[in-house]
Amino acid sequence: AIRMTQSPSSFSASTGDRVTITCRASQGISSYLAWYQQKPGKAPKLLIYAASTLQSGVPSRFSGSGSGTDFTLTISCLQSEDFATYYCQQYYSYPHTFGGGTKVEIK
Amino acid sequence: EVQLVESGGGLVKPGGSLRLSCAASGFTFSSYSMNWVRQAPGKGLEWVSSISSSSSYIYYADSVKGRFTISRDNAKNSLYLQMNSLRAEDTAVYYCARLGVRDNGMDVWGQGTTVTVSS
Repeated sequence: AIRMTQSPSSFSASTGDRVTITCRASQGISSYLAWYQQKPGKAPKLLIYAASTLQSGVPSRFSGSGSGTDFTLTISCLQSEDFATYYCQQYYSYPHTFGGGTKVEIK
Repeated sequence: EVQLVESGGGLVKPGGSLRLSCAASGFTFSSYSMNWVRQAPGKGLEWVSSISSSSSYIYYADSVKGRFTISRDNAKNSLYLQMNSLRAEDTAVYYCARLGVRDNGMDVWGQGTTVTVSS
């Protein structure tokens, strides 16, 4: 199974900050990567698919990049509603593994 | 409105069985692959199982293979997860999720149903 490693596992940031989350695959997955946002007690929400394509309705401050084994999710200007946990997921091959998550907390 | 609604969760003893259901509405259910994803208390997301639109292709996580069975009824717009030989480590919120166009990520999620395995 492909292992997905996210870093950091958590960090604190302030509204207005530019933040970057990293996801690394244990083997090449081309661009078959999605990013999800999850808030406490809620279902995950798809933000980005195909590594860099913004899901419909997702604010443009979210962006994704990378291919192969290294990927990033960037939030250009953190808003209050962005404090949440973010997960990457590869769908290159089954099992479609998730990263361990990155919790973005208020500083 | 595109919607997925899970049901069937509850408290079950170790070794017991449970069947989860997911009712889909607002889209052509028979055109999409579907998934089950779970989240143990305080933990991250774990992909559990996938089924293609016509049930031709089915996949399971190693952690549930041989114990769980995914199925669907396109006539009833419903997805199922039959869970047998349940263990304490199966305790989680179980989400059903639609795989998007060209299988690009899971774009629609249900609200989740809670399964607790405890004696």
